[in-house]
Parts: sequence; C-alpha cells; structure tokens
Amino acid sequence: EADIYQTPRYLVIGTGKKITLECSQTMGHDKMYWYQQDPGMELHLIHYSYGVNSTEKGDLSSESTVSRIRTEHFPLTLESARPSHTSQYLCASSEWPLTDTQYFGPGTRLTVL
Amino acid sequence: GNSVTQMEGPVTLSEEAFLTINCTYTATGYPSLFWYVQYPGEGLQLLLKATKADDKGSNKGFEATYRKETTSFHLEKGSVQVSDSAVYFCALSDGNYGQNFVFGPGTRLSVLP
Repeated sequence: EADIYQTPRYLVIGTGKKITLECSQTMGHDKMYWYQQDPGMELHLIHYSYGVNSTEKGDLSSESTVSRIRTEHFPLTLESARPSHTSQYLCASSEWPLTDTQYFGPGTRLTVL
Repeated sequence: GNSVTQMEGPVTLSEEAFLTINCTYTATGYPSLFWYVQYPGEGLQLLLKATKADDKGSNKGFEATYRKETTSFHLEKGSVQVSDSAVYFCALSDGNYGQNFVFGPGTRLSVLP
C-alpha cells in the first residue's frame, strides 16, 4: 500500500488568494507528479519532478508552480486563484527508474469562488 | 504520439454480471500497460498491470491480458459487485525518460443490486 498524502482534502477560497496544495510521500520515491482532473474525469499532467531541485512542466499548461526541496515533499502553489482553477488535483509518485508504476494520493478538491 | 482509448461510459450492470471494459493503445516500442481504479472521492489506485506481450495482470477478480497483435488490454471480471462501482482508467508507460505515462479518459461503472 502506497503512503502518499495530500492536504487539504477540500478547499474553498475566494478569487485572488494565494494557495499551496501539499503533497508528501514516505516511500523515498524520486519521481513525483501533479495531475489536474476535470469533471469529465480525464487526467492532465501539469507538473513533474525527477528528484530534488528538478521540476518540469507537463502536457497541460498551468498557472501553478511547484518546488522540490526535499525528496518527500512536492507542493503546488497558485499565486492568484481564479474560478477556472476549480478542479480536483492529484499528486502521485513512482519508483522511477526501477518501475513506472504510479501511486496516487487521495486528491485535493479545490473550489475558487 | 502515444495514446489510450477506452470504451465510453457510463457502464451500468446488475450485480453478478460479467464485465468487460475495452482498452486499446497506440505506442512505439513495448509499453507497460496498467488499469487504475478511482472510487468516489478518492485518488487512483493501481488495480493491475502487465509489462510485456501475453502477460496477464490480475487482482481482486479483475484480469487483463496484454495483446500486442491487437494493441489491446481489455479489463474483465466474471461477477461484479456493487462495491466495484468506480471509474476505471487504462494507462500505458513507454518506459522512456521524460514524461511517458498516458492515461485513457476513464470509464464509469455503476453496479446495481
């Protein structure tokens, strides 16, 4: 069973606020990911990281930013939230390059009013 | 580029019915194939995987066989339960460095008692 955590699970905020979504894993995985999941369920990769001090943009352009200062921690930040950012955000990690299998956190459901 | 196609949902079945969710893929080389399941309000969980042609992945009564000749990885279960109601995602990883994990759009399954 994977040990990957996300906080908060639910967040409702007003437009213009700065927010940080937290993601932590205790498996020592180097590679981590952030996905945005739209109401139609489809997953879109927005950021990933190969390890400490590595961050890459994914397929879907996003106004969010990420950092990777510690192996276990991969927070996502929105400097100024907008209603278009309302979505489910999923964090994942993998034991790359040994395996590509991704393990997911429970997600953060963000609503921007 | 790589892609995954799944049968459109929602799929509605009665308890104890036979389940098939079709998945086909397009990829170069020899990808690994995965099925993930997402229960309401949760993140994705790995259900099963197969890493080479003719491999069969199985878990919790679900199974899928990697068919390279038809580029397919259909998910099957002989007798579904109400607790199997969830969204199922087919995915592939081509094993190359960089962003290489592709998810299908997901298929929602509802099992009625």
